[in-house]
Amino acid sequence: EPEVTQTPSHQVTQMGQEVILRCVPISNHLYFYWYRQILGQKVEFLVSFYNNEISEKSEIFDDQFSVERPDGSNFTLKIRSTKLEDSAMYFCASSEAVGSYGYTFGSGTRLTVV
Amino acid sequence: QKEVEQDPGPLSVPEGAIVSLNCTYSNSAFQYFMWYRQYSRKGPELLMYTYSSGNKEDGRFTAQVDKSSKYISLFIRDSQPSDSATYLCAMSPGGYNKLIFGAGTRLAVHP
Repeated sequence: EPEVTQTPSHQVTQMGQEVILRCVPISNHLYFYWYRQILGQKVEFLVSFYNNEISEKSEIFDDQFSVERPDGSNFTLKIRSTKLEDSAMYFCASSEAVGSYGYTFGSGTRLTVV
Repeated sequence: QKEVEQDPGPLSVPEGAIVSLNCTYSNSAFQYFMWYRQYSRKGPELLMYTYSSGNKEDGRFTAQVDKSSKYISLFIRDSQPSDSATYLCAMSPGGYNKLIFGAGTRLAVHP
């Protein structure tokens, strides 16, 4: 069964450092997303990406965050200057079409900012 | 009022029981409704999706949507210990990208 692959599975970084979280979406999917889940809290939407541009972003997705699809297969989330409150599980997801078929999520990257 | 409300549980049932999980929501624009299962430290796994109102069945799982009451349910028949996980409801207005998740209900099925 096709899957969304995320690397690394766990990343520890010092506050103020830049991190890049990587994702390989399912190959024929067109829409890509990042969500995050702070420990014990809801899964929250960060950003969606279609046709090489951001189609929607949440209030959380401020200037410290950016996304990129550098080639035909990878989709990355960059946090420029990490803060303690950025510690969370970050999930990449992809879908064939907007909304109607559900999304396939990756296993996540656990980001710990110390 | 929260956009999506879901009782976090935990819910503990014996093996073989019928499990009922529920969410309520406030935004009448929601058209797409999904249930995800999440094991500890893993990503959400799509179980069921429905569009608008009605029922959908897939094996031991049945999803129901009542848009007039803004209430969705997931039923699990003949529950198994392997069903022990957190169940997340999620919904979308459709035509928009983001999913709005409930807090998740933690389910434990004991032998």
